[in-house]
Amino acid sequence: EVQLVESGGGLVQPGGSLRLSCAASGFTFSSYWMSWVRQAPGKGLEWVANIKQDGSEKYYVDSVKGRFTISRDNAKNSLYLQMNSLRAEDTAVYYCAREGTLRSYFDYWGQGTLVTVSS
Amino acid sequence: EIVLTQSPGTLSLSPGERATLSCRASQSVSSSYLAWYQQKPGQAPRLLIYGASSRATGIPDRFSGSGSGTDFTLTISRLEPEDFAVYYCQQYGSFPLTFGGGTKVEIK
Repeated sequence: EVQLVESGGGLVQPGGSLRLSCAASGFTFSSYWMSWVRQAPGKGLEWVANIKQDGSEKYYVDSVKGRFTISRDNAKNSLYLQMNSLRAEDTAVYYCAREGTLRSYFDYWGQGTLVTVSS
Repeated sequence: EIVLTQSPGTLSLSPGERATLSCRASQSVSSSYLAWYQQKPGQAPRLLIYGASSRATGIPDRFSGSGSGTDFTLTISRLEPEDFAVYYCQQYGSFPLTFGGGTKVEIK
């Protein structure tokens, strides 16, 4: 059974940093692109970033470029999102998602971790 | 960036009725790289449709997707009680990957 379990969310002040983790199991992690998708409270879904199987390609939405860094450790079956210079508008539930074999749709999602940026 | 506009914002229907949800793209979505998701309160989204018309594993055949280019449709042939939820479309033909604003299907 495919499982994605996020952790690392919490309350952080504006300008602060946070590192999210996603532990994957039930599939060959190193064979899939992986993404982070977020959802602000009461709002819709927003793709944040994704990373290729070997980490050699990474893409970001413009609003987080230069502040967020996606990475992965295939030996640990783990995905990460380092978030720096956090802003109030980054407040959201952050989901880890596996991408399908036929390009970048999301066939499995974690339960999400809440990040709140507030003073 | 491809902007996806979903309509209507809210659809009020009764169980057993047919639901037709629209997703319009600001430019052509290459190779019909369009997906649909269902999200219930407090839950993660669930993949329903990818490639505009291919059902994901375990998705009932009352869900169907169609369309190409800039106009796509999700149809639920006969609404079951568990189908009342918010539905999102997503394009994955170009970066950044983008989602529509969602359509809420509520019980009339």
